[in-house]
Amino acid sequence: SQTIHQWPATLVQPVGSPLSLECTVEGTSNPNLYWYRQAAGRGLQLLFYSVGIGQISSEVPQNLSASRPQDRQFILSSKKLLLSDSGFYLCAWGDRYTEAFFGQGTRLTVV
Amino acid sequence: AQTVTQSQPEMSVQEAETVTLSCTYDTSESDYYLFWYKQPPSRQMILVIRQEAYKQQNATENRFSVNFQKAAKSFSLKISDSQLGDAAMYFCAYRSVGSNQFYFGTGTSLTVIP
Repeated sequence: SQTIHQWPATLVQPVGSPLSLECTVEGTSNPNLYWYRQAAGRGLQLLFYSVGIGQISSEVPQNLSASRPQDRQFILSSKKLLLSDSGFYLCAWGDRYTEAFFGQGTRLTVV
Repeated sequence: AQTVTQSQPEMSVQEAETVTLSCTYDTSESDYYLFWYKQPPSRQMILVIRQEAYKQQNATENRFSVNFQKAAKSFSLKISDSQLGDAAMYFCAYRSVGSNQFYFGTGTSLTVIP
């Protein structure tokens, strides 16, 4: 069966520091991969999605970037965090015919 | 672009009672999927139920059922015999068949009153 792993679960980072959040999927190949951000009490904002290695679509221009170095690995990065980058980040995978399956999320606090 | 609207930011229900959460969507596609997700305080997104647009029969999953009205572009979630563990944020979501993108509503926060 397919599983998705996302880490870390919680992260506190100072303003201006770099960020790297990692997500990996097991049990499937060539999945679509997604990064969402959720502000407190709000809906999901799609940040990036990828349909294959090295293929990244950005939905919202911002301080973040994403990479997909391997088929089942999706990384969210920033060179310099801003206070406004605080939030709850969710990784998800899906294929053309399924629902989205979510990781457990990362709570990021930029201080 | 497709939009998903959840017009009820907050709802409450007495334990053991029934509650219905509303969702409408806008699309020009004829073939698509609709989903309801639950996000409890742990914030893990959990799929509650899924509906294929080509199926006329409403999906059910134990105490959860949907009322899918394709012509009206409406997709409501009914929770029967509400339990304390049903308290969560509920998100409605849409996806065209073959599309890579999911569209989520803004969510409905459900409180279950003991």
